[in-house]
Amino acid sequence: NSKVIQTPRYLVKGQGQKAKMRCIPEKGHPVVFWYQQNKNNEFKFLINFQNQEVLQQIDMTEKRFSAECPSNSPCSLEIQSSEAGDSALYLCASSLSGQGYEQYFGPGTRLTVL
Amino acid sequence: TQTVSQSDAHVTVFEGDSVELRCNYSYGGSIYLSWYIQHHGRGLQFLLKYYSGNPVVQGVNGFEAEFSKSDSSFHLRKASVHWSDSAVYFCAASRPPNTGKLTFGDGTVLTVKP
Repeated sequence: NSKVIQTPRYLVKGQGQKAKMRCIPEKGHPVVFWYQQNKNNEFKFLINFQNQEVLQQIDMTEKRFSAECPSNSPCSLEIQSSEAGDSALYLCASSLSGQGYEQYFGPGTRLTVL
Repeated sequence: TQTVSQSDAHVTVFEGDSVELRCNYSYGGSIYLSWYIQHHGRGLQFLLKYYSGNPVVQGVNGFEAEFSKSDSSFHLRKASVHWSDSAVYFCAASRPPNTGKLTFGDGTVLTVKP
């Protein structure tokens, strides 16, 4: 069973508000991924880190979204100005390595933007 | 563009039946393939993966999957399902040498009736 911790489980924000969620990866996992899962079960990769360094990120993440994985602190994903289309389940996963290793997922943060 | 397709949106079987959930990918090079399960309201749980070697791979809880390069497929099977196997199943692909980000299929909802 995965030991990835995500908080909060539920987040409700108004349009234009900031939304911040956190993730504690499994102990010993240096690689962290963030995905967005919409209500149609479509997944979108957002960003991944190895330790504190960004490995890869998509354009969306580069604009309204910001993320970090500081040393000895939870990783975080923040939406600077929430939009209705951001309503989704945000999943954090961790892995021993980037390529070829299974990813262990947390329960997700369900964001609702009113 | 790499895509993963799951042709069956819903599959319904009875407890004790065998089941096969289909996954096809559209990429001709090296590829990592995996299956994940998502129970309602929870994060994804890793089932199994394939990269090379024996095309039949064993996973948790009696699941197995078979890779076929000629068919571009990675179908998931279980010989005898239990009601607790009811969940959404996602096929995922990752193409080296990327950073490990997964591309998911749209999912198959498996319902196991008593």
